[in-house]
Amino acid sequence: EVKLLESGGGLVQPGGSLRLSCAASGFMFSNYAMNWVRQAPGKGLECVSSLTGSGRTTYYPDSVKGRFTISRDNSEKMVYLQMNSLRAEDTAVYYCAKSGGNYPSGGLVDWGQGTLVTVSS
Amino acid sequence: SYALTQPPSVSVAPGQTARITCGESNIGRKSVHWYQQKPGQAPVLVVYDDSDRPSGIPERFSGSNSGTTATLIISRVEAGDEADYYCQVWDSTSDNVVFGGGTKLTVL
Repeated sequence: EVKLLESGGGLVQPGGSLRLSCAASGFMFSNYAMNWVRQAPGKGLECVSSLTGSGRTTYYPDSVKGRFTISRDNSEKMVYLQMNSLRAEDTAVYYCAKSGGNYPSGGLVDWGQGTLVTVSS
Repeated sequence: SYALTQPPSVSVAPGQTARITCGESNIGRKSVHWYQQKPGQAPVLVVYDDSDRPSGIPERFSGSNSGTTATLIISRVEAGDEADYYCQVWDSTSDNVVFGGGTKLTVL
């Protein structure tokens, strides 16, 4: 059974930093691209970062480019999201999601339950 | 920036067929994936690659994609299908996962 467990969310001040973690189990971790998808309160889904199974290639939308960094440790089956220069509009539930293959070009097959990030003074 | 257009809401009576659309100028050339999200829960993939179903998803869920519109089709709608539905593609121009704005399905 695939399991994805996020952690690291919480309250942070504007301009601050936070690192989210996602622990994966139940599948051959290094064979799959991983993603972070967020959902602001009452809003839709936005993918804020993706990376390939090897971790060599990363993808970011303009809204977070230069502020967020995705990484993975295939030996530990972990994926991380380092978030810097946080803004109020980054407030959201952040989901860890597994792609259907080695590249993030397919659907997101499995999702964690999410971790809440609140950016507020 | 790349955008997928979904109607904000769709209403359907139990037992009828719901059709939720996702529009973009060249969407017929892309693989479209659909997610169901119930309140307080993580999204669930219900259709991938336009019309395939993951294991465990009822046959009532199907999809189509042609030209400028992809469609999620839910046959014999049940009360438990009431949820938000999102389409998603991979935008090869920006190299990003892109979601539609979401459609709230109401079962009357």
